Amino acid sequence: DSGVTQTPKHLITATGQRVTLRCSPRSGDLSVYWYQQSLDQGLQFLIQYYNGEERAKGNILERFSAQQFPDLHSELNLSSLELGDSALYFCASSFPHGSGETQYFGPGTRLLVL
Amino acid sequence: AQTVTQSQPEMSVQEAETVTLSCTYDTSENNYYLFWYKQPPSRQMILVIRQEAYKQQNATENRFSVNFQKAAKSFSLKISDSQLGDTAMYFCAFMKPPSGSRLTFGEGTQLTVNP
Repeated sequence: DSGVTQTPKHLITATGQRVTLRCSPRSGDLSVYWYQQSLDQGLQFLIQYYNGEERAKGNILERFSAQQFPDLHSELNLSSLELGDSALYFCASSFPHGSGETQYFGPGTRLLVL
Repeated sequence: AQTVTQSQPEMSVQEAETVTLSCTYDTSENNYYLFWYKQPPSRQMILVIRQEAYKQQNATENRFSVNFQKAAKSFSLKISDSQLGDTAMYFCAFMKPPSGSRLTFGEGTQLTVNP
């Protein structure tokens, strides 16, 4: 158990819908990262938040957005869902100790868009 | 942009034997970090080992060790005394500082440990 929690574990929805994925980082960690794992794209970085503020953006679609709240939990919002958004979405967290800190991953949310 | 390549999509090994997974990367940076993560059938991403590029000594964690060749941009993972529980997808990952930076992953190598 990494200490990172994600809810829900599984999500089945229809095209055009909107969903919210939730992540709670390890106690004390200030950074939260979101990654998408799909069959065709592999593991891709989406976005990072640090202590409530957006720090870096990767290959995140405009239909997707995220935020980190004062209690440091984070939510990833996916809207106007398409079949291709079906994937495993991971949240990871880390504690800043200067450079190259290790990221610990949650169990993931498996999204299926029908 | 950095790229990470794992040229072995699948590998298998007999229980108790040793296996080496390959990873190469491309970067113009001098300071960076490399990681191996494993993803068992549960799909959980689990850190296996980490290497700082500025350290010449290869990292070791119990049965897992790396062969880090900075000039060749190679970062292989050796698993000794393979166990059935080592069966998983293994991902090599690259991180470029500054503090708090994204991971760039390779395509993964599916390792099967046979009894």
